[in-house]
Amino acid sequence: EAQVTQNPRYLITVTGKKLTVTCSQNMNHEYMSWYRQDPGLGLRQIYYSMNVEVTDKGDVPEGYKVSRKEKRNFPLILESPSPNQTSLYFCASSLTTGEKLFFGSGTQLSVL
Amino acid sequence: AQTVTQSQPEMSVQEAETVTLSCTYDTSENNYYLFWYKQPPSRQMILVIRQEAYKQQNATENRFSVNFQKAAKSFSLKISDSQLGDTAMYFCAWGDYGGSQGNLIFGKGTKLSVKP
Repeated sequence: EAQVTQNPRYLITVTGKKLTVTCSQNMNHEYMSWYRQDPGLGLRQIYYSMNVEVTDKGDVPEGYKVSRKEKRNFPLILESPSPNQTSLYFCASSLTTGEKLFFGSGTQLSVL
Repeated sequence: AQTVTQSQPEMSVQEAETVTLSCTYDTSENNYYLFWYKQPPSRQMILVIRQEAYKQQNATENRFSVNFQKAAKSFSLKISDSQLGDTAMYFCAWGDYGGSQGNLIFGKGTKLSVKP
C-alpha cells in the first residue's frame, strides 16, 4: 500500500531534550516536505527536499533540522525543543513538485 | 512572497445544498498549481481537487468543482449536494510549478459544518 509513515503519533517531551520525528515513504517520490499546523494559522512549511541531499527552508525553519540521505526517509530533528514548537506536524511527499501530496498521519508534539 | 487567503474562517450549510468556499492568492509567477485539501476530524489530509494554472478549464471531481479566475487570482471551491461527511477543515494551497522551487503555501483554512 502506498503510504507515508510518520512516527510517533504523539510525543510529550521537555524543553531542551533533542528529538527526532521520522518520516518514510514507499512510493519512490522525489519531493518530501514537513509542515506544522497551529490553530488559526493553517499549515506552514518548515523544510522541503527536492531529492536526496537536496533540502531547502520553508517559511518557518527556525529551530528545526532535516536530512535526506536516502530517497525514502526525511526525518525532522528538533535539537533543543521549546514550548513554542508545540504543534501538530505533518510529513508529506509527492512524485515531483506540483503533484498530489501524500500526507502522513501527523505527530502531535507537546513541549513542556 | 506568495500568500494564500481564505476569508471565511467558518461556514455552515444544510445537507444537500450547495456551498462555495473562497480562496485568493498573490503571486508574480505565471505557472503554478492550486489545490484544495480537506481535513476531517480524523486530521488526515485528503486532496480534494488540483488545478494547473496554465489550464483555463476549471477542474471538477464529482460533487466538487472550482472557479479559477487567474487574472483575479481567485480559486473558489464549490461543493454540490453537501453531505454530512463533507464536514471538515478545508485548506486552499498554492504551489510552484516544478523547477527548483518546492514551496507550498497553505491558507489558514475554512471550517465547514454540514447540518442535517
